[in-house]
Amino acid sequence: RKEVEQDPGPFNVPEGATVAFNCTYSNSASQSFFWYRQDCRKEPKLLMSVYSSGNEDGRFTAQLNRASQYISLLIRDSKLSDSATYLCVVINSGYALNFGKGTSLLVTP
Amino acid sequence: DADVTQTPRNRITKTGKRIMLECSQTKGHDRMYWYRQDPGLGLRLIYYSFDVKDINKGEISDGYSVSRQAQAKFSLSLESAIPNQTALYFCATSDSDRAGELFFGEGSRLTVL
Repeated sequence: RKEVEQDPGPFNVPEGATVAFNCTYSNSASQSFFWYRQDCRKEPKLLMSVYSSGNEDGRFTAQLNRASQYISLLIRDSKLSDSATYLCVVINSGYALNFGKGTSLLVTP
Repeated sequence: DADVTQTPRNRITKTGKRIMLECSQTKGHDRMYWYRQDPGLGLRLIYYSFDVKDINKGEISDGYSVSRQAQAKFSLSLESAIPNQTALYFCATSDSDRAGELFFGEGSRLTVL
């Protein structure tokens, strides 16, 4: 089983829709969680950290479910500019950053 | 100027050639990383360094070597390039206090013929 798994998509949604992605992780001792965004042919950029209590940043909400070992990213009122690949990152002990392969989102007019 | 700069941005080379990709950063971070990205395989860690005297192998280090010449510089070498090393290579940095917050360079696209 891969350490970090994501549905590759693509998720095609109309502007204004709400869309959610999940990311499952296999190591129950994982300590920190993040979502990154990567535009086509560009470098990944940190979107948001995921806190145990859940956190929100504008239209974006991230949540952690330790019991089921997954994190989620919810995007409300999708914009065309949200079209990108969303990467889940899980940190185990020490340094070990584990990247998911990403979920592709396409927001259409 | 970018905080994390990679050179060259694009390179086409032939099998068997030695290639060096360079990375420099102005963020003052102690940790530096080299990743490669292939379609369908995501980002895979090649090498990482937590300070100038520290070098560690990642999950796919075979065929690669690195040098941390200074806190701000981390170079990746392919001693004898082969076609399956054709990929997009990213350098990244992070601060030890915020290990999950990576700052990536713009990438170096390498094609080995």
